[in-house]
Amino acid sequence: EDQVTQSPEALRLQEGESSSLNCSYTVSGLRGLFWYRQDPGKGPEFLFTLYSAGEEKEKERLKATLTKKESFLHITAPKPEDSATYLCAVQATTDSWGKLQFGAGTQVVVTP
Amino acid sequence: EADIYQTPRYLVIGTGKKITLECSQTMGHDKMYWYQQDPGMELHLIHYSYGVNSTEKGDLSSESTVSRIRTEHFPLTLESARPSHTSQYLCASSEYGGTNEKLFFGSGTQLSVL
Repeated sequence: EDQVTQSPEALRLQEGESSSLNCSYTVSGLRGLFWYRQDPGKGPEFLFTLYSAGEEKEKERLKATLTKKESFLHITAPKPEDSATYLCAVQATTDSWGKLQFGAGTQVVVTP
Repeated sequence: EADIYQTPRYLVIGTGKKITLECSQTMGHDKMYWYQQDPGMELHLIHYSYGVNSTEKGDLSSESTVSRIRTEHFPLTLESARPSHTSQYLCASSEYGGTNEKLFFGSGTQLSVL
């Protein structure tokens, strides 16, 4: 069964203090791994898609990387506006219609 | 502006009431989804649709039903609400085909059944 585990559950950072979030996954065949950001009271917002081990994507202070068993979301010199819950999801090759298996998320709080 | 809209944002109702959660998108996407999310937990897919007149159940068993009569509209109905239905319901859409399942989510409906 496909499984996605995110760690830590919560992370508190000082502004400028870089850190990484982990997403470990178990899937029969990986079609894609996705990162989303979710603000309180809102729906998730798409950040990145990664397709194969070794791939990296960057957006502002965020950088996502992928290995065969896990993905990392690196937050460099975070600002308070980076506070959010970050969700990881995987899509398996066995799912032809695009089902995503989500993790429970990492809640990030960045203080000034 | 292309977007996906959900109404109402918050709903508090009594047990046994029939409710419909509305979802509309202006992006012309074929695929639409309903997810259920409890605090600190994973999103779980409860319904999805490939297009007009297509609806399927997701992985998480749900007593709700959906319909897709128009491309832009994907309402979710609970015939008789119960306290166990209390949750956040998120609607999403994506373009049909390809491997990039970039989902666009609405802001959600927070449902509380008393």
